[in-house]
Amino acid sequence: DAKTTQPNSMESNEEEPVHLPCNHSTISGTDYIHWYRQLPSQGPEYVIHGLTSNVNNRMASLAIAEDRKSSTLILHRATLRDAAVYYCILRDGENYGQNFVFGPGTRLSVLP
Amino acid sequence: ETGVTQTPRHLVMGMTNKKSLKCEQHLGHNAMYWYKQSAKKPLELMFVYNFKEQTENNSVPSRFSPECPNSSHLFLHLHTLQPEDSALYLCASSQAGSGRTEAFFGQGTRLTVV
Repeated sequence: DAKTTQPNSMESNEEEPVHLPCNHSTISGTDYIHWYRQLPSQGPEYVIHGLTSNVNNRMASLAIAEDRKSSTLILHRATLRDAAVYYCILRDGENYGQNFVFGPGTRLSVLP
Repeated sequence: ETGVTQTPRHLVMGMTNKKSLKCEQHLGHNAMYWYKQSAKKPLELMFVYNFKEQTENNSVPSRFSPECPNSSHLFLHLHTLQPEDSALYLCASSQAGSGRTEAFFGQGTRLTVV
């Protein structure tokens, strides 16, 4: 699995947008970019994933750089419930049997 | 509710006990995973089953023994554990296949070994 790099921690104010970056300079052409988050004392939760184009869903938006070497998870209006560890992982879309390998992620704190 | 249910949610066991963790998914998935998460550490992948066959064992000590009787159920049998095995144990499932598919996690079992 290709490696990703994320900041250890970030802070945001409530009701403001949050941009969580992820670098994946060794990404291959068939790697999908996945984001998960883990709230305190819970299992990880799927947020969003994409390949080349930007993606939107009810939870967040995913902006993928044109060269695909970085991406940004966007929470449009942070709430206190968004405080969690956010994980960015790559998964090869052509490789059967891909596992989900997590790094340390970014710990997001949301200030009231 | 993610569709992946783990029981029990909390477990305290002595080092000489034998216990089992159970995971059940109702999502029609055919791949299931066990992870360990120690305090302040990233998730560590332990075991992977694809179509009931074990396809990954990440050098996990033999005191942890997985079992996958069918695509919907996954067990982790525990015996003669050590205090350092205390952690959150998470189960996940997904469609087996390429990296296009996402995983769904259970709430975890918080294990304390005394």
